[in-house]
Amino acid sequence: AQSVAQPEDQVNVAEGNPLTVKCTYSVSGNPYLFWYVQYPNRGLQFLLKYITGDNLVKGSYGFEAEFNKSQTSFHLKKPSALVSDSALYFCAVSHDNYGQNFVFGPGTRLSVLP
Amino acid sequence: EPEVTQTPSHQVTQMGQEVILRCVPISNHLYFYWYRQILGQKVEFLVSFYNNEISEKSEIFDDQFSVERPDGSNFTLKIRSTKLEDSAMYFCASSAEDGSSYNEQFFGPGTRLTVL
Repeated sequence: AQSVAQPEDQVNVAEGNPLTVKCTYSVSGNPYLFWYVQYPNRGLQFLLKYITGDNLVKGSYGFEAEFNKSQTSFHLKKPSALVSDSALYFCAVSHDNYGQNFVFGPGTRLSVLP
Repeated sequence: EPEVTQTPSHQVTQMGQEVILRCVPISNHLYFYWYRQILGQKVEFLVSFYNNEISEKSEIFDDQFSVERPDGSNFTLKIRSTKLEDSAMYFCASSAEDGSSYNEQFFGPGTRLTVL
């Protein structure tokens, strides 16, 4: 079975500093990995995904994520955080053997302090 | 930019009543999904739907739940007899027509269901 862990419930970072939101996964074979962001009273918005190829993927709003197969991780990063980045971030995994069923992590609340 | 829409934004119902949650997926998408998020918990897959039938469902999706595409635009989730534990945010999502596992799913804003 697939599973996703986000080891930090909350991440605080000062505006202008780099941010990292961590994600590790467990799946047999090669995963497809996704990051979504949820703003208050809004649905989940797609940020980026890893399918294959270059381990560093770039997405919306200046975010990027690095796939590390040996560490089974897919950490979300941004070089310079903005206050408007404050939101709930979800990592998700899918796999050909499990169809279209996305398995989400528990979410990490990011607070960017001015 | 096309988006998934959901109505109502908030539904309050009495235990034992039937509710129907509505979604309008992105128009050229053919794969549709329902997820739920109980307050403070993670987003959980309920069901996927393609070509007018369920393609996958989780163990949460028991006989009390059903889905339907009654016309060319709407996708509905029905809960026949609501329980207190059905209180959650329900998200509809859709994805591109080939339904591959690597296609991102586009989510609606959710319907908050409160069962009293």
